Amino acid sequence: AQSVAQPEDQVKVAEGNPLTVKCTYSVSGNPYLFWYVQYPNRGLQFLLKYITGDNLVKGSYGFEAEFNKSQTSFHLKKPSALVSDSALYFCAVRPLIKAAGNKLTFGGGTRVLVKP
Amino acid sequence: DGGITQSPKYLFRKEGQNVTLSCEQNLNHDAMYWYRQDPGQGLRLIYYSQIVNDFQKGDIAEGYSVSREKKESFPLTVTSAQKNPTAFYLCASSLADQETQYFGPGTRLLVL
Repeated sequence: AQSVAQPEDQVKVAEGNPLTVKCTYSVSGNPYLFWYVQYPNRGLQFLLKYITGDNLVKGSYGFEAEFNKSQTSFHLKKPSALVSDSALYFCAVRPLIKAAGNKLTFGGGTRVLVKP
Repeated sequence: DGGITQSPKYLFRKEGQNVTLSCEQNLNHDAMYWYRQDPGQGLRLIYYSQIVNDFQKGDIAEGYSVSREKKESFPLTVTSAQKNPTAFYLCASSLADQETQYFGPGTRLLVL
């Protein structure tokens, strides 16, 4: 069975400092990985995805994520955090190859708090 | 939240009552999904539909029902059999099954 772990329930950083949100995964075969962000009482917004190719993926709002196959990780990063980045972040995975019954599995979420 | 709308934003259910949550999309997406979000548990899949007039159970389908009579619409009914319905419900759609999912703004269901 596939799974996603986000080991930190909360990450606190000062505005202007680098932000990293960790994600590790387990899936059969190659992964198809996603990051989403959720602001209070809102739906999830798609940030970026990794399919194949360059291990560094760039997404919306200055975010990027680095795929590491040997460590089965897909950490989300932002070089300089903003107060407006404070939100709940979700990592998700599914098998790359399409097959009947494939579903997207989400991690439990990491709350990011960026202090002024 | 793009072209996916959910209504109402808040919904109150009385004991023994069935309630229906609306989800509409104008993105011409074939696939639609319903998730339940509880604090600290991430999202769990309730039902999904790959195409009109077809749907499959997700991981926590018990106490819920859906229909997919139109491509644009995928309503979710929370039945009286669902004993713990209080949660935030999210609808999503994707161009095709297993492609990138885009989410609606959500409906918060509370029990009176």
